[in-house]
Amino acid sequence: AQKITQTQPGMFVQEKEAVTLDCTYDTSDQSYGLFWYKQPSSGEMIFLIYQGSYDEQNATEGRYSLNFQKARKSANLVISASQLGDSAMYFCAMREFDQKVTFGTGTKLQVIP
Amino acid sequence: DTGVSQNPRHKITKRGQNVTFRCDPISEHNRLYWYRQTLGQGPEFLTYFQNEAQLEKSRLLSDRFSAERPKGSFSTLEIQRTEQGDSAMYLCASSTPRTGGEETQYFGPGTRLLVL
Repeated sequence: AQKITQTQPGMFVQEKEAVTLDCTYDTSDQSYGLFWYKQPSSGEMIFLIYQGSYDEQNATEGRYSLNFQKARKSANLVISASQLGDSAMYFCAMREFDQKVTFGTGTKLQVIP
Repeated sequence: DTGVSQNPRHKITKRGQNVTFRCDPISEHNRLYWYRQTLGQGPEFLTYFQNEAQLEKSRLLSDRFSAERPKGSFSTLEIQRTEQGDSAMYLCASSTPRTGGEETQYFGPGTRLLVL
């Protein structure tokens, strides 16, 4: 089974609108961490937001928030007030107890003016 | 610049040649990771170090691949007898454990390898 599943290969969003990027995960560990990274066309992976498995509150970082539903094993990224510079690949990732990080296949987000 | 740096940024080589990449982590980070990313995929874990010790290696890391982190600072990844299938972006990341369990990996810009 895939450890990280991102079912949306591509998404479009109108500038200034909000968008949700889906991520589901699979682990038997009790302690794990979930991450979202942004990868623009330049190639560098940019850390956006982190959610720990024991965190009761959803993580927020500026315009980014993580909708964490532990029972459903989902960790969706919400980007509010989209900007043209948000156009990029977005990767969901999970770190398990053995410290390895597994990435999903990514979602390509395009922001339309 | 206090981020993760990687050199070279691009490398073109002929099949059968050896190549070596370097990664300089964020100075206070004791963990260093190597990943490989092919087109249309997310990064795939290759190996990681805690200080100078190599603690984990992926099955993706064939015997043609070797990584070192002497003195627990910078790291090198060498690929011997390169094959066309080795063409990919090689990403390095570093991190350090924090209280509360959060440990975020910060990535370098990557080295893009093309094997002809």
